[in-house]
Amino acid sequence: QQQVKQSPQSLIVQKGGISIINCAYENTAFDYFPWYQQFPGKGPALLIAIRPDVSEKKEGRFTISFNKSAKQFSLHIMDSQPGDSATYFCAAPGDKLIFGTGTRLQVFP
Amino acid sequence: EAQVTQNPRYLITVTGKKLTVTCSQNMNHEYMSWYRQDPGLGLRQIYYSMNVEVTDKGDVPEGYKVSRKEKRNFPLILESPSPNQTSLYFCASSSLLVAGFDEQFFGPGTRLTVL
Repeated sequence: QQQVKQSPQSLIVQKGGISIINCAYENTAFDYFPWYQQFPGKGPALLIAIRPDVSEKKEGRFTISFNKSAKQFSLHIMDSQPGDSATYFCAAPGDKLIFGTGTRLQVFP
Repeated sequence: EAQVTQNPRYLITVTGKKLTVTCSQNMNHEYMSWYRQDPGLGLRQIYYSMNVEVTDKGDVPEGYKVSRKEKRNFPLILESPSPNQTSLYFCASSSLLVAGFDEQFFGPGTRLTVL
């Protein structure tokens, strides 16, 4: 069964710094790799997704980098802000969407 | 407003007392799914449904049942809850694309405690 390995489990970053979260997958049925953001007390919500006919997608301060040969993709948050403090999940498409175990990001002022 | 609703949001029950958590979406999505979220384990899929009357097991289906009689509703049933089913539960829905998956919309969650 497809597994998605996400690291780190938790991350502490100072305001203005770069947050980097990594995911590795085994196999895919489709080319669709999303990242979800979850604030405390809320359900996850789609943050950004890539359909990798490209190796990178940027939306504001958030960038997905994708390495198909290595079966890895990562989320970069530039100029991290306290409002970015949340749990982040990557996901990879097998016969169903498989989620990583999550990364709790804390951004301190 | 496009949304996924779940009820109840919080539930404390006792071992063995049957319960149902309702889930409803107003986006005409074909795909619906239930997840449980536990610390350190992320989101684990319980059951999913590709359309009305079509359901299938996810990664952790033991102790749960679902039904999909209408497109908009996908209730989660615990026939005989046990303490190891204490968790945070999320319902999600999405449309199905020929090319695979689309954005999943999650409900607000149901925090279940089984004593």
